[in-house]
This record gives sequence, structure tokens and C-alpha cells, in this order.
Amino acid sequence: GENVEQHPSTLSVQEGDSAVIKCTYSDSASNYFPWYKQELGKRPQLIIDIRSNVGEKKDQRIAVTLNKTAKHFSLHITETQPEDSAVYFCAASRKDTGRRALTFGSGTRLQVQP
Amino acid sequence: KAGVTQTPRYLIKTRGQQVTLSCSPISGHRSVSWYQQTPGQGLQFLFEYFSETQRNKGNFPGRFSGRQFSNSRSEMNVSTLELGDSALYLCASSSDSMGNEQFFGPGTRLTVL
Repeated sequence: GENVEQHPSTLSVQEGDSAVIKCTYSDSASNYFPWYKQELGKRPQLIIDIRSNVGEKKDQRIAVTLNKTAKHFSLHITETQPEDSAVYFCAASRKDTGRRALTFGSGTRLQVQP
Repeated sequence: KAGVTQTPRYLIKTRGQQVTLSCSPISGHRSVSWYQQTPGQGLQFLFEYFSETQRNKGNFPGRFSGRQFSNSRSEMNVSTLELGDSALYLCASSSDSMGNEQFFGPGTRLTVL
């Protein structure tokens, strides 16, 4: 089955700096890669996703890049703010699961220091 | 639209008992997925139901089962509870179009003593 590895497990940055979280996946049939943000005691929320026919996607301060050859994808957050502090999860799934059966990475705890 | 709701929010059971958790998806959503979240194993996919049929299944033992009703509400059941089943159980709903965003519920915190 799919295996998703996520690094780093914790990340501390100063407000205004950039943060990068990296994930690798094992199943070459995976073609959908969402990123979720989970604040303490709250539910995961989708912040951005990318599909395998796209190499990069951007939404304001958040961007995701995908390298299908190397089987890795990354989340980039620019101009970080204290409210970006949360746990971020990457995930992967295959088209034949309807992109529903998500395999998650182990999470990255991002702390933005004011 | 109201978000995904889950009941109960907290539950305490003892080993050997069984438990049923409920999930009401966003109105109009026909797909409901279930995930288990623990500090040690992270977020793991349990199963997904679409139009009352189990469409995908994760690698969990047969003690974990689910079903979906005609109104898209879903239940999951865990029989013969073990200490290791203590977790936050999250359900997520999405529309029937492939690849649409999954919206998570607040979860049910299950503690097995």
C-alpha cells in the first residue's frame, strides 16, 4: 500500500519567515495530494491540494509543488503569521479510490514565533 | 449549510464492549469516510461509503465496521474494544464528484479503559 513520509516533524520559524514542509510517497499510482491544517483541538481543514497533472499550485501565501518523477511534494508558506501555527498533514490517494482513501503523513508541528 | 456533525463527541468504554459512532454529512454529500487519529499512528483511513455501499477500505481488523443509510448518514461500529482503540474518530464528507474536498467533522473522542 501507499506510504507517505513527512519532514520535519517540528518546525519553528520567526514571524514573516517562510516555512517548507516536505513529503514523499511510494505509490506511483497516487495522483491527488492534499494538505490539511489542524489547530489544537480542532478538525483538519484542507488548505490546498494538487493533482498529478500540475507541477505547482499557489493560493495567496501558500503554494504546493509536486515532482512526480521523484515522488515528492512540498508545502511552502511565505510571510508566516502566528495564526499559521498548527499541525500540517500531507496526504496522497489514488484515482481508483475516487481520491477518498487518503494516506496521511505523520504531521509537522509548525510554530510561528511573534 | 451546516457542517459535518458527529455524535457523541466523547465516549468512555471498557475493554470488550462495543461502540457505535454516528456521522451526519453536509447536506447533499453522498460520500462519507472515516479516519482514526492517534498520537502514535497518526491519521489512518478506515473506510469510505458512497450511496450506502462501502467503496474503499483501509487496513483495520474486522472488528471495525460501518454502514451508510439512504439519507447518507453513516455509523461505524467497533466490537470487542481494545485499549489501543482509544483514539479520535473523524468522519469526512464530500460530494459525489471525484476529487472534491473532504470536509471533516469535529470527531468523537473514544477512551477505552
